Amino acid sequence: DQQVKQNSPSLSVQEGRISILNCDYTNSMFDYFLWYKKYPAEGPTFLISISSIKDKNEDGRFTVFLNKSAKHLSLHIVPSQPGDSAVYFCAARLTGGGNKLTFGTGTQLKVEL
Amino acid sequence: ETGVTQSPTHLIKTRGQQVTLRCSSQSGHNTVSWYQQALGQGPQFIFQYYREEENGRGNFPPRFSGLQFPNYSSELNVNALELDDSALYLCASSNPGEGYNSPLHFGNGTRLTVT
Repeated sequence: DQQVKQNSPSLSVQEGRISILNCDYTNSMFDYFLWYKKYPAEGPTFLISISSIKDKNEDGRFTVFLNKSAKHLSLHIVPSQPGDSAVYFCAARLTGGGNKLTFGTGTQLKVEL
Repeated sequence: ETGVTQSPTHLIKTRGQQVTLRCSSQSGHNTVSWYQQALGQGPQFIFQYYREEENGRGNFPPRFSGLQFPNYSSELNVNALELDDSALYLCASSNPGEGYNSPLHFGNGTRLTVT
């Protein structure tokens, strides 16, 4: 049972435009959501997070939006840069779940010149 | 600040053998967790260690075991290797003292191939 889903395996965007990566979840007990970026041959790197009590968190070019009623979150990258090309993982944590994160299957973002 | 380091980077083992993977957590981080990432999938939680005790486990059989040492470094041991154990094994550390929502910091992983 996939509790965190990233339904788009890949996304291609032109440099300077907005990238929008989507994530859906099924468990309403998730209280904390994170986005990780992964380059080949490297481990996932933390990008941005959001608590379930918020609906938006912004950090520079990256903004995460949370819609609890729809059990949906999205990551916006504006403007997109070629260095943003990577696999992006959405992850969620249950209340009291410690370091147990449930990950989606990832979206490969390609930012083209 | 030293990040999470894992060794070895790559490993090839035969079905039925045993393997030990090692991890040094980020400086000051006393909680370590291990994840398995199969090809085309997201990382899956194996277990977590805090103060040298396992305090959380995912849906993995007992042949997956671990240790955490007083210096917070950690080992993942897998016995009776199966072909499906071929994956990238990721170690992650965190410091609960940084707050309930402190993010995990991952190492670059060990790529295990079982033939």
